[in-house]
Amino acid sequence: SQKIEQNSEALNIQEGKTATLTCNYTNYSPAYLQWYRQDPGRGPVFLLLIRENEKEKRKERLKVTFDTTLKQSLFHITASQPADSATYLCALDQMWNNNDMRFGAGTRLTVKP
Amino acid sequence: ETGVTQSPTHLIKTRGQQVTLRCSSQSGHNTVSWYQQALGQGPQFIFQYYREEENGRGNFPPRFSGLQFPNYSSELNVNALELDDSALYLCASSLGGVSSYNEQFFGPGTRLTVL
Repeated sequence: SQKIEQNSEALNIQEGKTATLTCNYTNYSPAYLQWYRQDPGRGPVFLLLIRENEKEKRKERLKVTFDTTLKQSLFHITASQPADSATYLCALDQMWNNNDMRFGAGTRLTVKP
Repeated sequence: ETGVTQSPTHLIKTRGQQVTLRCSSQSGHNTVSWYQQALGQGPQFIFQYYREEENGRGNFPPRFSGLQFPNYSSELNVNALELDDSALYLCASSLGGVSSYNEQFFGPGTRLTVL
């Protein structure tokens, strides 16, 4: 069966450290993968998109890797700040399947000062 | 440039009733996708509209239906509401459809409670 697993429900780290979030998938062949941030009571906000032929993408303090052999994406936030505290969602496209975008359940990140 | 807006923000209905949720897409965007998000879960794709035509559908029954208007705003209609339909309903707009790799811009959502 198809699955998207994000490493844990919650991740607590100290301010200034690097947060690493994991997204593993089974029985999908995405052409690209996206990461979103969601704050309580709000809609997700797009952060980064990485294509299947890209190994790594960066944007300011964010870095995403995509390993189609391992079927895994890693999302890093360097020099984390309390303002980075939120739920982070990974999402896979299914262009071949009715454009159905599949989301993981998310990882709730808390950055402590 | 205005962002994605949704109305109403909250709604309470009873089982068996019908509901219509509305979404105004971001200026210049021609694609709207609707998602259902249960508490503690990621959004689940309901369907997508591209230039007023349904352009993809997730695993939701036919009582979930939609429309997209010439100005690219959209409606989600749910008939015969069930308790399990209680969720946050999100719409997201993008340019050119999900298949064109464009990022999606989400609205704040409508919180639907079915009693």
